[in-house]
Amino acid sequence: EAGVVQSPRYKIIEKKQPVAFWCNPISGHNTLYWYRQNLGQGPELLIRYENEEAVDDSQLPKDRFSAERLKGVDSTLKIQPAELGDSAVYLCASSLVTASYTFGSGTRLTVV
Amino acid sequence: GESVGLHLPTLSVQEGDNSIINCAYSNSASDYFIWYKQESGKGPQFIIDIRSNMDKRQGQRVTVLLNKTVKHLSLQIAATQPGDSAVYFCAESVSGGYQKVTFGTGTKLQVIP
Repeated sequence: EAGVVQSPRYKIIEKKQPVAFWCNPISGHNTLYWYRQNLGQGPELLIRYENEEAVDDSQLPKDRFSAERLKGVDSTLKIQPAELGDSAVYLCASSLVTASYTFGSGTRLTVV
Repeated sequence: GESVGLHLPTLSVQEGDNSIINCAYSNSASDYFIWYKQESGKGPQFIIDIRSNMDKRQGQRVTVLLNKTVKHLSLQIAATQPGDSAVYFCAESVSGGYQKVTFGTGTKLQVIP
């Protein structure tokens, strides 16, 4: 089993540019999460999907962040335009209907 | 969660000794708790969980203790090994069908060979 796969692993962009992150969850996991982790802190939930439906996006800054999960499998998280404060690790996780998540290795975003 | 920026609490333990990592949780309605281990450059990895109807649960070399009275959670690692060096996060959740997990502040465990 490949686990949760994320790409790219690292991304450096200039502020005001767009960026997108991709996540492939574990096969059969209907719940998918995007978390943001700032240096030295715990992950914070951005959005949770049940199949293709976003059931909790209350922490997603909707003015610049968007996400989609087409066909209830892969997911993309986008930031447009990026700001310096968006520099962080963006983690994707998946689970069955329990809280025993499996996380991917994350995408480390640096905005300069 | 509460921010401690770059100043993660750090626990240094001699190899072979037991480690105890503590966590105070905030929501008295939380009824499910998880410990995660995060190694550098990787996502958090599930270690052990416990529900609020229990006060102790044991796994392989790890034990989680839950004290609901004072909203305190601890992770005990027996015979700590160099591979245990990582940042450990406790997390809490309020069940309701679909669970939203809130992570606490991490503790960095350094194992001294």
